[in-house]
Amino acid sequence: QSALTQPASVSGSPGQSITISCTGTSSDVGTYNLVSWYQQYPGKAPKLMIYEGTKRPSGVSHRFSASKSGNTASLTISGLQAEDEADYYCCSYTSTTTSWVFGGGTKLTV
Amino acid sequence: EVQLVESGGGLVQPGGSLRLSCAASGFTFSTYWMHWVRQAPGKGLVWVSHINSDGTRIVYADSVKGRFSVSRDNARNTLYLQMNSLTVEDTAVFYCAKLDGDGFDYWGQGTLVTVSS
Repeated sequence: QSALTQPASVSGSPGQSITISCTGTSSDVGTYNLVSWYQQYPGKAPKLMIYEGTKRPSGVSHRFSASKSGNTASLTISGLQAEDEADYYCCSYTSTTTSWVFGGGTKLTV
Repeated sequence: EVQLVESGGGLVQPGGSLRLSCAASGFTFSTYWMHWVRQAPGKGLVWVSHINSDGTRIVYADSVKGRFSVSRDNARNTLYLQMNSLTVEDTAVFYCAKLDGDGFDYWGQGTLVTVSS
């Protein structure tokens, strides 16, 4: 079960926008609108930020948005704030193993 | 309030066994698929296993297949992970997570499993 591909790190200045990509295959990201995104601070449990590809759970800032094109999903954070500095993971259902697969994670530095 | 509380982690020698538990509250446990996800020190999240609401459908990651066994007791609102033949590569924080639709909307605080001689 190969992990989804994410950049190891991205950075941005306060107020700017950044985008984190998540590349999979036609067996996961490309076929299913079942990509979710998670934010994780060091030593803490992950937090759901995006589900069903583009939806935000209640309480998640509108600065977080997501999209998909082909086999690549993307998370965009606009109006970067210091508190956004964290690790971000994508996740997708995969038909290859009828299970779930995470991306390798991206460290965001603000 | 939804709560997931893992327990059972600790230090174990290579080849040993551990049983993790995840006590759930604040939601109708018996109606949700539940998952185990692990994270090795300094590494990323890795999906481990899932079990459907009544325990009849179970899938494991290749890395744990044949060594780990997931189960649930819906009467006790508890999820389990029996881990056998542990290796140093299994050292990680293990999280239980509740799946709602396609997102893991609630996670436990994690329990650390250290495999070392």
